[in-house]
Amino acid sequence: ELKVEQNPLFLSMQEGKNYTIYCNYSTTSDRLYWYRQDPGKSLESLFVLLSNGAVKQEGRLMASLDTKARLSTLHITAAVHDLSATYFCAVDRTTDSWGKLQFGAGTQVVVTP
Amino acid sequence: DVKVTQSSRYLVKRTGEKVFLECVQDMDHENMFWYRQDPGLGLRLIYFSYDVKMKEKGDIPEGYSVSREKKERFSLILESASTNQTSMYLCASNLEGPNQPQHFGDGTRLSIL
Repeated sequence: ELKVEQNPLFLSMQEGKNYTIYCNYSTTSDRLYWYRQDPGKSLESLFVLLSNGAVKQEGRLMASLDTKARLSTLHITAAVHDLSATYFCAVDRTTDSWGKLQFGAGTQVVVTP
Repeated sequence: DVKVTQSSRYLVKRTGEKVFLECVQDMDHENMFWYRQDPGLGLRLIYFSYDVKMKEKGDIPEGYSVSREKKERFSLILESASTNQTSMYLCASNLEGPNQPQHFGDGTRLSIL
């Protein structure tokens, strides 16, 4: 059974500083997704990582994938209040294209001045 | 933009009732998914459908059934609601293909009294 572990589960950030969220998974997969969820809202797709060494960046967020280590990281540069949200990673469980995802528990991020 | 619409944001039902949650997507997506989201557990897959009238069980199908009579609509049915089904329910859809992120609806917060 595929397990996806995120850490930390809660992250208090100071504005202007850099932080990293880690996503470990237990079996082979080369497709990993990052989502963001604002309080009371639905999930928004941030990144799709499809191969070993993939790196995607959008604004202050950068995600990378190391399939050999079964690890993805979401790096936040110079945190700002707008980045307060819960971040989920999700790993594709199948080799076909149905997109059955296994989600991590989520990392709740709070950015304070 | 992809639009996934869930029929209710909030719903209160009684134990033993049959409950229907509706989801409609407007982008002709082949795949549709139902998840429940509980604090600390992330999202757990209940059922998914990869075509009209086709469905497969996810991780926690017990107590639920689904219906997909038309491509755009995917219904989740609680056959006899119980208090442990109180949760946030999220519907998602995506195109067939290995790198298609899922697009989520706003969720239905269901309370079973």
